[in-house]
Amino acid sequence: SQTIHQWPATLVQPVGSPLSLECTVEGTSNPNLYWYRQAAGRGLQLLFYSVGIGQISSEVPQNLSASRPQDRQFILSSKKLLLSDSGFYLCAWSGSGAAAETQYFGPGTRLLVL
Amino acid sequence: GESVGLHLPTLSVQEGDNSIINCAYSNSASDYFIWYKQESGKGPQFIIDIRSNMDKRQGQRVTVLLNKTVKHLSLQIAATQPGDSAVYFCAENHRRDDKIIFGKGTRLHILP
Repeated sequence: SQTIHQWPATLVQPVGSPLSLECTVEGTSNPNLYWYRQAAGRGLQLLFYSVGIGQISSEVPQNLSASRPQDRQFILSSKKLLLSDSGFYLCAWSGSGAAAETQYFGPGTRLLVL
Repeated sequence: GESVGLHLPTLSVQEGDNSIINCAYSNSASDYFIWYKQESGKGPQFIIDIRSNMDKRQGQRVTVLLNKTVKHLSLQIAATQPGDSAVYFCAENHRRDDKIIFGKGTRLHILP
């Protein structure tokens, strides 16, 4: 069966510091991968998605970036965090092509920027 | 979309009663729909899905209804339990699109 991991689970970072969040998927190959952000009590905002290694699509202009160095690894980064980057970051995977219909989410990373 | 900035509406239901959570979707070309459940501090969890060639699908204690005429989706939870307390999101997808569109979510609060 497929599993998706995110780490760390919780992170407290000062403004201006760098960020690296990691997501890995097991039990599948060539998945589509997604990064979402969720503010407290709000809906899901798609940040980035990837249909293959090195292929990144950005949905919202911001100071975050994403990379996919391996087939089942998706990384969310920032060079300098802003207060507004605080939130709950969710990684998700889906199959590719016609199987991209359903996304499955990881446990999330709660980021607090102070 | 714009809905990500809005506070979530809340539905309060007595324990043991049936819950009905509604969702209006945006794209008349969408042909696949999903309901997710998100408990506090966790990632959304897949509950049930339905394709546009169906108008009803049942799972364990849950039923999804689809009305394509008015672009409306609903999730019915039978005999609501405390463990059903969560935020529920609907999502829509168009065939072969890599992205899905999430609704704004509804918080289900269970009254003792």
